[in-house]
Amino acid sequence: ETGVTQTPRHLVMGMTNKKSLKCEQHLGHNAMYWYKQSAKKPLELMFVYNFKEQTENNSVPSRFSPECPNSSHLFLHLHTLQPEDSALYLCASSLAARPLPAGGETQYFGPGTRLLVL
Amino acid sequence: GESVGLHLPTLSVQEGDNSIINCAYSNSASDYFIWYKQESGKGPQFIIDIRSNMDKRQGQRVTVLLNKTVKHLSLQIAATQPGDSAVYFCADYAGGTSYGKLTFGQGTILTVHP
Repeated sequence: ETGVTQTPRHLVMGMTNKKSLKCEQHLGHNAMYWYKQSAKKPLELMFVYNFKEQTENNSVPSRFSPECPNSSHLFLHLHTLQPEDSALYLCASSLAARPLPAGGETQYFGPGTRLLVL
Repeated sequence: GESVGLHLPTLSVQEGDNSIINCAYSNSASDYFIWYKQESGKGPQFIIDIRSNMDKRQGQRVTVLLNKTVKHLSLQIAATQPGDSAVYFCADYAGGTSYGKLTFGQGTILTVHP
């Protein structure tokens, strides 16, 4: 079991619903990430937060809204999603986020939230 | 675009055999590489990493080899066990000024038969 937890583990929502995914890391890291993992596709980076500041938005649609209140917590707010958004959403953390000096960039992942949009 | 890819999508071995999982990368600026293992219903789990100033690194039952000349990365698992059955991903840092941008391959499914 890693030091990164995610809730809920499973979520079913309609296209008009609003829901939030939560991630918490207990590793003392300063960077947190959201990834999307779809069947038969490589992991897709969505957002990067470094010291609570969003440093990367990988062209993610606005129906996904991240929030990082502190270095230990990360949320992904979901609204008016589409069925093609159904996927495993993974949170990760690292001591630091590149391009800071190398040495703390290894990312550790949570178990993910399996999302189904109907 | 730049990508990290895997030569074989599936690999089946007998328990006790050694396994070799290969990965090709295309970005010559990549300077850090990671292998992850993902079991069903779980998130990716860090296995081992290597920097571009090295060509070999060993862990417990695992060895990563890096050949920068041909942009090739491999993961060797010694005495493979049924618990090693999982999807294995390689990933690399593309360098530059992008924060935390790991590029992942599609993964290789390793099946270990008792």
